[in-house]
Amino acid sequence: QVQLQESGPGLVKASQTLSLTCSVSGVSTRSGSYYWSWIRQPAGKELEWIGRIYTSGGTYYNPSLESRVTISIDTAKNQFSLKLTSVTAADTAVYYCARGPVTPYYFDHWGQGALVTVSS
Amino acid sequence: EIVMTQSPATLSVSPGERATLSCRASRSISNSLAWYQQKPGQAPRLLIYGASTRATDVSARFSGSGSGTEFTLTISSLQSEDFAIYYCQQYNNWPPYTFGQGTKLEIK
Repeated sequence: QVQLQESGPGLVKASQTLSLTCSVSGVSTRSGSYYWSWIRQPAGKELEWIGRIYTSGGTYYNPSLESRVTISIDTAKNQFSLKLTSVTAADTAVYYCARGPVTPYYFDHWGQGALVTVSS
Repeated sequence: EIVMTQSPATLSVSPGERATLSCRASRSISNSLAWYQQKPGQAPRLLIYGASTRATDVSARFSGSGSGTEFTLTISSLQSEDFAIYYCQQYNNWPPYTFGQGTKLEIK
């Protein structure tokens, strides 16, 4: 069965870089049938799509975060990763990785989420 | 960016009754809408896509309707496990994909 699992530091200092990895099992990130996304949710707030990547490495980002975000993929390890630079307290959130079919693009499998707190 | 607005923010319904949740898009998104259920401490779970197609293993008590800018999620005969927060998401105009602010369905 398809499973996604986020990993990475739970505490990041302000102005530094947040880095998370999503390990995928049950499906190959080499598959041309899916996009791989990062989504975040501050406590008690709505979901915010951060960006997505395709097996080829092609990416799309949320314009509101584009200047600070990089998503990469390692198909050999069946993983994809998120880097968010110059973090502030506003970046404190639960970060989810998720899969979705290429078209239409909704999110059919999610990781359990990773809480990242930005400290001053 | 398309703004998704859900109403009401909180809906109180008794078990066994029907719940109707609404989602409005700031401009037409055809039928490019998904609904998710989120329980405390859990990731969202896909319920509906294409505005009305149930995802795999989703109970037939969940149904979606609408197109353009107005959408509805109906849950018939509410059971205890249905009390959660529900989000809608559009995928017609991107980036970015956008979510509503959620409707909390609580026990009356």
